[in-house]
Order: sequence, then C-alpha cells, then structure tokens
Amino acid sequence: EIVLTQSPGTLSLSPGERATLSCRASQSVSSTYLAWYQQKPGQAPRLLIYGASRRATGIPDRFSGSGSGTDFTLTISRLEPEDFAVYYCHQYGSSTFTFGPGTKVDIK
Amino acid sequence: EVQLVESGGGLVQPGRSLRLSCAASGLTFDDYAMHWVRQVPGKGLEWVAGINWNSDNIGYADSVKGRFTISRDNAKNSLYLQMNSLRAEDTALYYCAKGHRSGSSYYYYCALDVWGQGTTVTVSS
Repeated sequence: EIVLTQSPGTLSLSPGERATLSCRASQSVSSTYLAWYQQKPGQAPRLLIYGASRRATGIPDRFSGSGSGTDFTLTISRLEPEDFAVYYCHQYGSSTFTFGPGTKVDIK
Repeated sequence: EVQLVESGGGLVQPGRSLRLSCAASGLTFDDYAMHWVRQVPGKGLEWVAGINWNSDNIGYADSVKGRFTISRDNAKNSLYLQMNSLRAEDTALYYCAKGHRSGSSYYYYCALDVWGQGTTVTVSS
C-alpha cells in the first residue's frame, strides 16, 4: 500500500497570500495518478486536481498542481476567503487507493 | 447535473450486516467506475472499495477485504456496498463517488469527481 504524507498539518495564512501544500508518497505513484481535494466542514470533498496537474471542471486557475514520482505540490496562488478548508491528496495508481491525512489551511 | 444519493445507513450491532445503496442520476451510469469512501467525523478520508464499469475489476481496502462486497446494477443506475461482520471501527460517514474518466475501461483507477452527501453507519451495541 502506498502511504501518503502531507505537510504541513496546518497552514495559517491570510487572504491574498500564496499557499504551498506538499504530498509525499512512500513509493512512486504510477502515471502521476495523483489527485487533490478540498473539503469544507459538513460538505463532501471536491475534486480540484487530477493527473497531478490537471484542473477539474470549474476549478479556478489560482489552484495548480505539480510533481511526479513521490513528491507532489498543490499551490493556491492567492488565497480567497472560500479557500480556507482541509486539502487531501489521493493516489489512484495502484489497486488499493490511499489518501493523505490532510492539510488544514486556516485564517491567520 | 450528476447526483449521487446514498441510503441504507443506520445503527447496527457489532457482527451484524448492513447494505448501503447509492442512486445515480444525470449521467450514463455504465460509463464510469464507482467507489465507496468513508470518513470518521473529524478525521480523514479512507477509500473502501472500487468497481469498474461492468464489475469485471473490483478492489478493496485491506481493512474491509473479506467482509465488504461492492456491486452495481447498471440497469438501475445503482451502486451497493454489502457490509458483513461489522466492527466498531467501521463507524463512519460513507460516501459514494464517481470516477472522473468515462469509457469502458477494465481499470477503476481514476480520481473521484462527483460525491454524494454520505450516509452514516454506526456500529455499537
């Protein structure tokens, strides 16, 4: 099973700042099958990025993903008030999918 | 608009069984792989099981293998999760989720682009 580690656990930033979230895999993720989700309290997760760098339908271009192999990054170029939430990475390149533990982005 | 609506959750005693359902609408259901993901309130996401478009390829998390069975009925646009030998640690909100990639692929390997609102399973005596 591929274990995903996310850092930092919590990121305290102000609106307008840049957020950089990291996801590291215990082994290489096949074909960059790595996704990012946003989850707000009381809501289901929302797909932001798939294939490591492809934005899902309707996702603003301030969200971007990069990386390959074992190291991946989600960047939010300028935080909007609605971006404060928990973010999960997810690998779907093996028969057993796994999620990272999440990074909470909260307001400083 | 694609909608996924889960049902079948509830309170059940340890060792008993429960069957979850997910009704899909607004999509060509048999074009997509489908998955179950669970979340303990206040905790992270855990993938439970996935199934490809025609049920030829199915996968499970180690934590549920041998106890849970995922299935689908494409004629009814429905996904199911049969949960047997339930344990306290199976207590969670269970989400149904749709694979992002369309097409008749053998593989269920895909990101999850539409999620239901979940159904709560509580295992307790």
